[in-house]
Amino acid sequence: SQTIHQWPATLVQPVGSPLSLECTVEGTSNPNLYWYRQAAGRGLQLLFYSVGIGQISSEVPQNLSASRPQDRQFILSSKKLLLSDSGFYLCAWSVRRRARGETQYFGPGTRLLVL
Amino acid sequence: GQQLNQSPQSMFIQEGEDVSMNCTSSSIFNTWLWYKQDPGEGPVLLIALYKAGELTSNGRLTAQFGITRKDSFLNISASIPSDVGIYFCAGQEDSGGSNYKLTFGKGTLLTVNP
Repeated sequence: SQTIHQWPATLVQPVGSPLSLECTVEGTSNPNLYWYRQAAGRGLQLLFYSVGIGQISSEVPQNLSASRPQDRQFILSSKKLLLSDSGFYLCAWSVRRRARGETQYFGPGTRLLVL
Repeated sequence: GQQLNQSPQSMFIQEGEDVSMNCTSSSIFNTWLWYKQDPGEGPVLLIALYKAGELTSNGRLTAQFGITRKDSFLNISASIPSDVGIYFCAGQEDSGGSNYKLTFGKGTLLTVNP
């Protein structure tokens, strides 16, 4: 069966510090990978998605970047964190099926607090 | 961009009651998904729907893909305290197979009083 991991689970960082959040998927090959941010108001905002190694699409211009160095690894980074980067970051994966649409499965999330 | 209207925003019910929530879109979707999120955790997939008119159950949960392909509903029967959480709908537009993105509703916060 497939599993998705995120770490760290919680992170407190000062403004201006760098960030690296990691997501890995097990039990599947060539998944689509996604990074979302969820603010306190509940909405899920898509930040980046990737359909393959080294292929990153950005949805929202911002202080963050993403990379996919391996098939099942997705990393969210920042060189200098802003207060507004605080939130709950979710990684998700899906497998493309021609006869069906995307079904995304989420990781446990990382709570980031920038002070 | 595409938006989903999810309603109600919140519900307060007594244990044992049935619950119904729905989502509507202005575009045709080829996939409807329902998730539940507990505090501090990632959303968990409850039900996935891939065909117009499809009715699928998962225990006490039932969801349907609307005939018009622009709406979906989720019903929970005989609610219990552990049903508490935020329920999200999500859908994928029918755009010829190149769209990898989901559109999410803003969630329905469910509170169940024992």
